[in-house]
Amino acid sequence: AQSVTQLDSQVPVFEEAPVELRCNYSSSVSVYLFWYVQYPNQGLQLLLKYLSGSTLVESINGFEAEFNKSQTSFHLRKPSVHISDTAEYFCAASAAGSARQLTFGSGTQLTVLP
Amino acid sequence: EAQVTQNPRYLITVTGKKLTVTCSQNMNHEYMSWYRQDPGLGLRQIYYSMNVEVTDKGDVPEGYKVSRKEKRNFPLILESPSPNQTSLYFCASSLGPAQNSPLHFGNGTRLTVT
Repeated sequence: AQSVTQLDSQVPVFEEAPVELRCNYSSSVSVYLFWYVQYPNQGLQLLLKYLSGSTLVESINGFEAEFNKSQTSFHLRKPSVHISDTAEYFCAASAAGSARQLTFGSGTQLTVLP
Repeated sequence: EAQVTQNPRYLITVTGKKLTVTCSQNMNHEYMSWYRQDPGLGLRQIYYSMNVEVTDKGDVPEGYKVSRKEKRNFPLILESPSPNQTSLYFCASSLGPAQNSPLHFGNGTRLTVT
């Protein structure tokens, strides 16, 4: 079984500042890693995923995450945030070969301040 | 429009009164699952289904039932709701395992059990 830990429950940051949302995972088998975003009163949407290959993955709206196997981390970063990035962000993992879908972290509320 | 539809959006009920939350998807997805979201705990999987008539327990199945008689529908049944089942519930579907296809989420059902 795998577990996912998001180290910060709330991250306030000013507009145009950089941000990092931290995620660590543990698993006895290979895992696939994901970041999902939840805007107010909506369901979750996939932001980006790491399956294999290049350890740096990017989303279409400027976020990126780096898979670090030695540190068992998959931190999410953005060099310059916008007000519209305010949302809750969930890190998730899926064990290779598992049909059980995803194990989610507890979430990080990102609030971008003007 | 491709979507996952949950009903109702809001539900207030009393302890012990059986209820059903419906979930329907129009994308011909094989996989469907139910999650509950609680503050500080993220999303936890209740049940999942890989195909019609194939269901299995997630991490927190106690007090819940599901059925998958048709591909598009995956209702969540609470036979005897209790206050600790007060939560925000999400249904999700995907074409295949999470690593191969993103989860599509409904907009959630907020359940209050008094």
